[in-house]
Amino acid sequence: AQRVTQPEKLLSVFKGAPVELKCNYSYSGSPELFWYVQYSRQRLQLLLRHISRESIKGFTADLNKGETSFHLKKPFAQEEDSAMYYCALRTDSWGKLQFGAGTQVVVTP
Amino acid sequence: GAVVSQHPSRVICKSGTSVKIECRSLDFQATTMFWYRQFPKQSLMLMATSNEGSKATYEQGVEKDKFLINHASLTLSTLTVTSAHPEDSSFYICSAHRLAGDTGELFFGEGSRLTVL
Repeated sequence: AQRVTQPEKLLSVFKGAPVELKCNYSYSGSPELFWYVQYSRQRLQLLLRHISRESIKGFTADLNKGETSFHLKKPFAQEEDSAMYYCALRTDSWGKLQFGAGTQVVVTP
Repeated sequence: GAVVSQHPSRVICKSGTSVKIECRSLDFQATTMFWYRQFPKQSLMLMATSNEGSKATYEQGVEKDKFLINHASLTLSTLTVTSAHPEDSSFYICSAHRLAGDTGELFFGEGSRLTVL
């Protein structure tokens, strides 16, 4: 069965500290994984997709098929990074996504 | 970037009435849209896949007669919550799939908060 697991509900970090959000998946096919971010009172928006291998707002994520993980990392957290982050697994060609439970990140000065 | 708009953003209704929520892709055509439900402090739960010109595909456990989905045009999908009850109160979010190259990208609406009294 397909599943996306984000074990941390809340991550509280100090500004300038590194932050890592964990995501593990279970999927029988070739996975396509995403990170979405939802800032307070805003809509969900795409942060990263593994196939593009981009670094957005200083965040990176590497797909590790051996560990079935797609952890999100940023070396120096900023206050504006405070938001809800969702890891998502695409399960069909039309964009059907299965979301993890989400991790609330709070960056304190 | 592409924009997906939902209307209304908030709606309050009496128990037993029906409520329609619209999802529009403003600057692109979307043959496929998705409807999600989000409970407070919880993740998005996929309810159904809305396909232009054909019947929606519902996820297991979602009552299709309760949550009517219509995707009559390439830019509009509607979700109607029929005979709403307090337990239907939730945040409903739609997303639209824009084709681009081999894959495409999903764009999300701002969500619609339904409160059933």
